[in-house]
Amino acid sequence: QVQLVESGGGVVRPGTPLRLSCLVSGITLSSTGMHWVRQAPGKGLEWVALLWSDGSTKFYADSVRGRFTISRDMSQNTLFLEMTSLTAEDTAVYFCVRGVYYFDYWGQGTPVTVSS
Amino acid sequence: EIVMTQSPATLSVSPGERATLSCRASQSISGNLAWYQQQPGQAPRLLIYDASSRATDIPARFSGSGSGTEFTLTISSLQSDDSAVYYCQQYKSWPPAWTFGHGTKVEIK
Repeated sequence: QVQLVESGGGVVRPGTPLRLSCLVSGITLSSTGMHWVRQAPGKGLEWVALLWSDGSTKFYADSVRGRFTISRDMSQNTLFLEMTSLTAEDTAVYFCVRGVYYFDYWGQGTPVTVSS
Repeated sequence: EIVMTQSPATLSVSPGERATLSCRASQSISGNLAWYQQQPGQAPRLLIYDASSRATDIPARFSGSGSGTEFTLTISSLQSDDSAVYYCQQYKSWPPAWTFGHGTKVEIK
C-alpha cells in the first residue's frame, strides 16, 4: 500500500527558509519520479518540481526555479523540498505526489503560510 | 507555457444525469492529458490518464475522450459523491512544465 506523508509546513515570515519532507512507504524512490504540487487557498493546482527516478535529474516551475530545491534521502525513504526566499505568493498546501507524467498517488498535503 | 482552459466553471447536474466537462489546450498535446477529482478538504485523485484510460479502481461511469487540443470528461450517471472539483492536466511539454486547468466544480442539483 502506497503512503505519502508530508510534514514541515507552518507559518513563516517572508524570506525565511523552510524544508518540507515526505515520508514514502510502499514504493521505492529509485523506481519512480516524485513531484511537489501546490494549491494556494481557494485556488487550483500548480506543479512545482519533479525529481526523476535517477535522483539527480530535476525540473522546476518557473515560479520557483532558483529558490526551491527538490531532493531525496534513500536511507530515510524521504522526499524533500527546500524552499528559500519565500513570499506571500508561496502560501499554499504542498502535496507530495508520485508519478512521472501524471500523478497517481498523493499525500494529504502540508500547509505553508508566508506572512509577516 | 501550455495553457489549459476548462469549461464550464460550474456545472449543476441532477443525480442520474450525464455531466460533460471540457478542457482545451492552447496547443496540441496529443493524448497527454489526465483528469483529477478533488473533493473538499482532500487531495486530488487521479481519474483518467492518457486522455481516455481509467485509473485503478475508478468506476466505469467516468470516461475521457479527445486528442490534440480538445478533451472531454464524461460522468455518465452522476452520483451524490461525484460532487467535487475536476481538473485536467497536460504532460506534453518538455522540459517538464506540467500545467493544470482552473477546474470545473460539479454540483448536485
